[in-house]
Amino acid sequence: DTAVSQTPKYLVTQMGNDKSIKCEQNLGHDTMYWYKQDSKKFLKIMFSYNNKELIINETVPNRFSPKSPDKAHLNLHINSLELGDSAVYFCASSQDVNSPSLDEQYFGPGTRLTVT
Amino acid sequence: GEDVEQSLFLSVREGDSSVINCTYTDSSSTYLYWYKQEPGAGLQLLTYIFSNMDMKQDQRLTVLLNKKDKHLSLRIADTQTGDSAIYFCAHNNAGNMLTFGGGTRLMVKP
Repeated sequence: DTAVSQTPKYLVTQMGNDKSIKCEQNLGHDTMYWYKQDSKKFLKIMFSYNNKELIINETVPNRFSPKSPDKAHLNLHINSLELGDSAVYFCASSQDVNSPSLDEQYFGPGTRLTVT
Repeated sequence: GEDVEQSLFLSVREGDSSVINCTYTDSSSTYLYWYKQEPGAGLQLLTYIFSNMDMKQDQRLTVLLNKKDKHLSLRIADTQTGDSAIYFCAHNNAGNMLTFGGGTRLMVKP
C-alpha cells in the first residue's frame, strides 16, 4: 500500500495554463507539505498545512495555492504557469507538527511538471 | 538551500567508507536529518540526530554533529553500489518544515 501518493507522475503543459497536482496520504497523519525540487536538485519547502494552520514559505508566489478537501488530501493548484515552475514537486506528510518527538516526514514519489 | 550547504559530488570505491559533510547556519533546529534520493524516486529518511546529541550510530550509518561549528556528517561504512544516490541533509524549522541542503551525489564504483 502506498503511504503518500501523487497524481499525475508527469505533467506537461503550456505557459499560462492552470493546473493541479493531487496528493493523498493513507497514514492518518495530521500535517501535509509541498516541496519543490528544481533542476539542480535544490529542495525547498513551499507549504506546511494541518487542519489548524497553513504556513507558507514567503518565497512562494501567490499563483501557488494548497487546497485540502479533507485531512488525507492536500492538492497543489498553480495558476498562470510559467517556465520557471518546471520542477519536481513532492508532497509529504507527518503525524503532528506539534509533536515533541521526531516527526518524520514521509514523501510521495514526486510529480515532474514541465512547462513549455 | 542557502543556509544548508553540502559538497556536490563524492566518488568512492565499493567497500570503502563514505563521508558526506553538511554545514548549516540555523542553530535553533531541534532535529537534523539525512535523506536519500535514488534516481527518479522520492526522498527516504535514512537517519536523524537530535540537536543535543553529538553522535548516533545506526548499522552502517554514523552521524556526527558538531553543534559549535554547525557541522553535520554522515559516514557510510562498507559502501555498496546500492548506496549510489543523492544524499540531502536537512533541519526542521517552525511548523516542522524542512530546509534542505543542495544534496551530495554519491557514486560508488565497483
